[in-house]
Order: sequence, then C-alpha cells, then structure tokens
Amino acid sequence: QKEVEQDPGPLSVPEGAIVSLNCTYSNSAFQYFMWYRQYSRKGPELLMYTYSSGNKEDGRFTAQVDKSSKYISLFIRDSQPSDSATYLCAMSAGGGADGLTFGKGTHLIIQP
Amino acid sequence: NAGVMQNPRHLVRRRGQEARLRCSPMKGHSHVYWYRQLPEEGLKFMVYLQKENIIDESGMPKERFSAEFPKEGPSILRIQQVVRGDSAAYFCASSPNLLSDEQYFGPGTRLTVT
Repeated sequence: QKEVEQDPGPLSVPEGAIVSLNCTYSNSAFQYFMWYRQYSRKGPELLMYTYSSGNKEDGRFTAQVDKSSKYISLFIRDSQPSDSATYLCAMSAGGGADGLTFGKGTHLIIQP
Repeated sequence: NAGVMQNPRHLVRRRGQEARLRCSPMKGHSHVYWYRQLPEEGLKFMVYLQKENIIDESGMPKERFSAEFPKEGPSILRIQQVVRGDSAAYFCASSPNLLSDEQYFGPGTRLTVT
C-alpha cells in the first residue's frame, strides 16, 4: 500500500462546475496537509496549507482534512479553464524537518 | 520578490558525465529541499539542507548523488556518472524556518541523459 493514494484522472468537468479532488493516506503521523497546483513543465505552486483536521477556505478553494478517515479533499468552486492543471496533495508529520510525501497528482481538465 | 530560482532549466548530459544543479532559495529562507519527479511518478523527497548542514538525506540514492548548501552561494545537487535512469525533473523547494512546513518550489531542472 502506497503512503498516499491519489486518482490520476484525468478528471474532465465543464466550466463553472464544482470540482472535488481527494487523497487518502496510511501514515497516522501526518499532521500537515498541502495542495499544490502544477502546470505542465512548471514547478508546483502551493495552493492550500492546513494543520490537522478541519476546513480551510481561500477564495474559490476549500481544503478539508478528516484525520479519522485519513482522507483529505480540495474543492474548487466556479471552475475556470485556467484551473486545468495537475493537482498534487502533499503531507508531513510536521516539526519543520520533514520532506513532504506527495500523491502522484490528479490531472484536471476544465472544458470551456 | 524573487521566488526560488533554479538553473539550468534544461540540462543534457551523456552517460558517465556529471550533472550539477543549482538552487537559490527565496529571500529570507534558510531551508532547502530537493525532490525528483520521474515520468508518470509523483514528487519524491531526496534531501533537506540548511546552511552548511545536511539535515535529512534519507531519500537520496546511496551512490553518485550528493548535495550541499554552502555558507555563501546556492545549494548544489550533484550527480556523478549519470545514467539514463537519472533523467527526470529535479525540483528545489525552500521554507523560511524550522517551524514551517510550507515549502515553495522552483521551476525545476529537467535533466536528460543520452
């Protein structure tokens, strides 16, 4: 079993739809959870950063963490064609001295 | 505000040559991380460095790979005697301090071994 599982997609939705992306993980020590967006042949861009369980909202993006289920989600409202990218979940046990453990990424396509 | 800078952006090496990848962290950041992204694979952690110290190299291959972050200048990831399997995108990330897990990534160096 991989430490972090993420459906690679592609996930194709029409413009304006609500997008739901998610990851599951097996290491109960993970406490810090991140979502990155990566455009083709570019570096990952940090979108959301959350600690422990709960929700965090930033503009059209909402991140949810359910540690009891070892499940995290990213919701994108009012999706735009410019949101088309690969979305990577990442996590760490914390303490500031950890490399991040990444999912393989979900390729998202927003159809105009 | 300059972000994380990496150079070169593209590097072609023949088998057996050395590859040197450079990374300058964001201004005010003193922690550097290197990751490798193989085709169809996720990002894999390689090494974590602070100035003049390697903190965690648990993801680094045991042979041919080394990293440094000198007191002055950029962090360097060095790959000796490259093989075709080393072809990948190598990303550097930086964070501001020990208490933060927020890592900001550079644009990457794409290494091709011919």
